[in-house]
Amino acid sequence: EVHLVESGGGLVQPGGSLRLSCAVSGFTIRINDMSWVRQAPGKGLEWISYISGRNGAVYYADSVKGRSTISKDNAHSSVSLQMNSLRDEDTAVYYCAGGHFDYWGQGTLVTVSS
Amino acid sequence: DVVMTQSPLSLPVTLGQPASISCRSSQSLVYSDGNTYLSWFQQRPGQSPRRLIYKVSNRDSGVPDRFSGSGSGTDFTLKISRVEAEDVGVYYCMQFSHWPWTFGQGTKVEIK
Repeated sequence: EVHLVESGGGLVQPGGSLRLSCAVSGFTIRINDMSWVRQAPGKGLEWISYISGRNGAVYYADSVKGRSTISKDNAHSSVSLQMNSLRDEDTAVYYCAGGHFDYWGQGTLVTVSS
Repeated sequence: DVVMTQSPLSLPVTLGQPASISCRSSQSLVYSDGNTYLSWFQQRPGQSPRRLIYKVSNRDSGVPDRFSGSGSGTDFTLKISRVEAEDVGVYYCMQFSHWPWTFGQGTKVEIK
């Protein structure tokens, strides 16, 4: 059975940084794509980042480009999203998703507020 | 960016009756490999999203056969043949034929 478990969310001040992690089991991230999707309170889903399982290529939404870095650790079966220069509008639940969104974690809440 | 436009945004349905959600993209979703990367997701209240349909019309494992996807090019539809109470939630279409990947605004399905 596949499990994705996000961690690292919390309260951070504007301009601060956070590193979100996604622990994956039952699914080989070495050969599968991984993404991060977020959902602001009461709003819809927004794809924000992707890393290719095949060649490590990365892509970002404009809303986080230049402020975020996605990476993965195949040995520890985890994917991370480093987020810097956080803004109020980054407040959201952040989901890790595997493959072409075949699998989702339960999400981790990031609150950006002073 | 490809804009995904869903309609309606709110869909009150009687139990046992059919429901249909439209998703239109601002450009064709046919990828260079010939596939159309359009998926549908369900998000029940308080839960993570769950994929229902991939590549327009392929139902995910465990998804009831009352859910079906259809369409081509820029025009896609998710149909529920007979709505059940467990189908309440928000439904999203998403394209990943073009970067950046984009979701529709979501359609809230509720029981009348």
